[in-house]
Amino acid sequence: DSGVTQTPKHLITATGQRVTLRCSPRSGDLSVYWYQQSLDQGLQFLIQYYNGEERAKGNILERFSAQQFPDLHSELNLSSLELGDSALYFCASSVDPRSAEAFFGQGTRLTVV
Amino acid sequence: ELKVEQNPLFLSMQEGKNYTIYCNYSTTSDRLYWYRQDPGKSLESLFVLLSNGAVKQEGRLMASLDTKARLSTLHITAAVHDLSATYFCAVGSMYSGGGADGLTFGKGTHLIIQP
Repeated sequence: DSGVTQTPKHLITATGQRVTLRCSPRSGDLSVYWYQQSLDQGLQFLIQYYNGEERAKGNILERFSAQQFPDLHSELNLSSLELGDSALYFCASSVDPRSAEAFFGQGTRLTVV
Repeated sequence: ELKVEQNPLFLSMQEGKNYTIYCNYSTTSDRLYWYRQDPGKSLESLFVLLSNGAVKQEGRLMASLDTKARLSTLHITAAVHDLSATYFCAVGSMYSGGGADGLTFGKGTHLIIQP
């Protein structure tokens, strides 16, 4: 158990809908990362937050957004969902952006039907 | 744009054999990671390599880093069935000013070890 908690574990929703994925980082970690894993694209970095502020952006679609709250948990919001958004979404956390190690949660499997 | 290439992408081998997975990356980096993923599961950190010439070993796995060649290897010695999994290398890069982006992953090496 990495100490990073993601909910829900599974999510099935219809095209056009909006969902929110939640991540609680390890105790003491200030930096949160979101990744998407799909068969087509592999593992892709989406976005990073550090202590509530957006730190870096990767291949995140405009339909997706994220935030990190004062208690350091983070949410990834996915809207106007398409079939191609079906994927495993991982959250990872680290102490700070320069930390050598990031720990991954168990992921949320999103299925868009 | 940072690119990370792993090869092979698929490897079937017999127990007891040795093999090496290669990871090439395209730009300067100060961090290289190896992760293991079992089907449908999370990513388990295996090694973090932070300097040229770094070598780390854990059980039957050994990872090394050559930053000049932009190459890392993951060597498997006397493979056992329990090592069957997908192995990813990932490279971190630093923006100027101390910021950091997330990791760029290779496509993964799907390793099957047969008795």
